Amino acid sequence: AQTVTQSQPEMSVQEAETVTLSCTYDTSESDYYLFWYKQPPSRQMILVIRQEAYKQQNATENRFSVNFQKAAKSFSLKISDSQLGDAAMYFCAYWRGGADGLTFGKGTHLIIQP
Amino acid sequence: DAGITQSPRHKVTETGTPVTLRCHQTENHRYMYWYRQDPGHGLRLIHYSYGVKDTDKGEVSDGYSVSRSKTEDFLLTLESATSSQTSVYFCAISSGTNTDTQYFGPGTRLTVL
Repeated sequence: AQTVTQSQPEMSVQEAETVTLSCTYDTSESDYYLFWYKQPPSRQMILVIRQEAYKQQNATENRFSVNFQKAAKSFSLKISDSQLGDAAMYFCAYWRGGADGLTFGKGTHLIIQP
Repeated sequence: DAGITQSPRHKVTETGTPVTLRCHQTENHRYMYWYRQDPGHGLRLIHYSYGVKDTDKGEVSDGYSVSRSKTEDFLLTLESATSSQTSVYFCAISSGTNTDTQYFGPGTRLTVL
């Protein structure tokens, strides 16, 4: 079974600074997807970024980028120029695709200090 | 935003009563999923559907049943609610294409007294 581990229950960063959230996973598959979801206090699960395992190039979405290390099974999220609106729980998730469900980590609570 | 709605958004019920949560999508996506979110556990898969009348169990399916009679609707039923089923329930959908992603509904907060 796949597992996803987020080792940082909480992180704090100053506004405008850069922060990196860690995620490791375990799988025997070679093809899969990895995601970071953001959950603000509204509770909505918002997709931040998506990575396909067969792509070596790291995904980027504006201020958000990932460092995907397939051999190390590591998938960290970097947030540049942190903004107050980035404050939320961040979940790392693994997916084989199709009918399979997502496997989530337990989340990292990101605090933005003004 | 993906067109996913969940109803009700909040519900309080008593132990032993039946409860049905509804997920409705307007995207015509093939796959639908039910998750529950509990403190310290992230989200965990309850059941999923890969087509009309095609469903299967997830990681935490005990005490839950599902039905999908139309592409757009996926129902989650607690036959006899227990306090351990107090949780936030999320529905998700995916298309099954090569640009696939799971998109989530707004969630339902269920409290079983």
